[in-house]
Amino acid sequence: AIRMTQSPSSLSASTGDRVTITCRASQGISSYLAWYQQKPGKAPKLLIYAASTLQSGVPSRFSGSGSGTDFTLTISCLQSEDFATYYCQQYYSYPRTFGPGTKVDIK
Amino acid sequence: EVQLVESGGGLVQPGGSLRLSCAASGFTFSSYAMSWVRQAPGKGLEWVSAISGSGGSTYYADSVKGRFTISRDNSKNTLYLQMNSLRAEDTAVYYCAKDRAHPDYGDYEIYYYYYMDVWGKGTTVTVSS
Repeated sequence: AIRMTQSPSSLSASTGDRVTITCRASQGISSYLAWYQQKPGKAPKLLIYAASTLQSGVPSRFSGSGSGTDFTLTISCLQSEDFATYYCQQYYSYPRTFGPGTKVDIK
Repeated sequence: EVQLVESGGGLVQPGGSLRLSCAASGFTFSSYAMSWVRQAPGKGLEWVSAISGSGGSTYYADSVKGRFTISRDNSKNTLYLQMNSLRAEDTAVYYCAKDRAHPDYGDYEIYYYYYMDVWGKGTTVTVSS
């Protein structure tokens, strides 16, 4: 199975900050990567697919980049509603695998 | 509006069985692959299983292979997860999700890769004596 890692595992930031989360795959996955946001007690929400394509309705302050094994999720100007846990997930091969998550909380 | 509503969760003893259901609405159910994803208390997300739109192809995580069976009834717009030989480590919130295809246009044919674009609210399964 392809192993996904994320860094950092958690971060503290302030509203208005630029935040970058890194995701790495244990082998090349081309651009078959999605990012999800999850708030406590809620279902995950798709933010980005194909590594860099914004899901409809997701604010443009979210962006994704990368290909192969290294990917990033950037939030350009953190808003209060962005405090959540973020997961990357590869869908290049089965079993689909998630990263362990990055918790973004308030500094 | 696309809606997915899971049901069937509950408390079950180790070694027992449970069948989860996911009622879908707002889209042509038979045209889409579907998935189950779970989340143990305080832990991250774990993909569990997926099934093609026709039901002809199924996929499983190693942790559930041979114990869980995914199926669907396209006449009822419903996805299922039959869970047998349950263990304490199967305790989790189980989400169903609609898959969306990411096509790859090769030289001679199109390959499809699937990610999850819409999720239900989840149903809780607790395995404990």
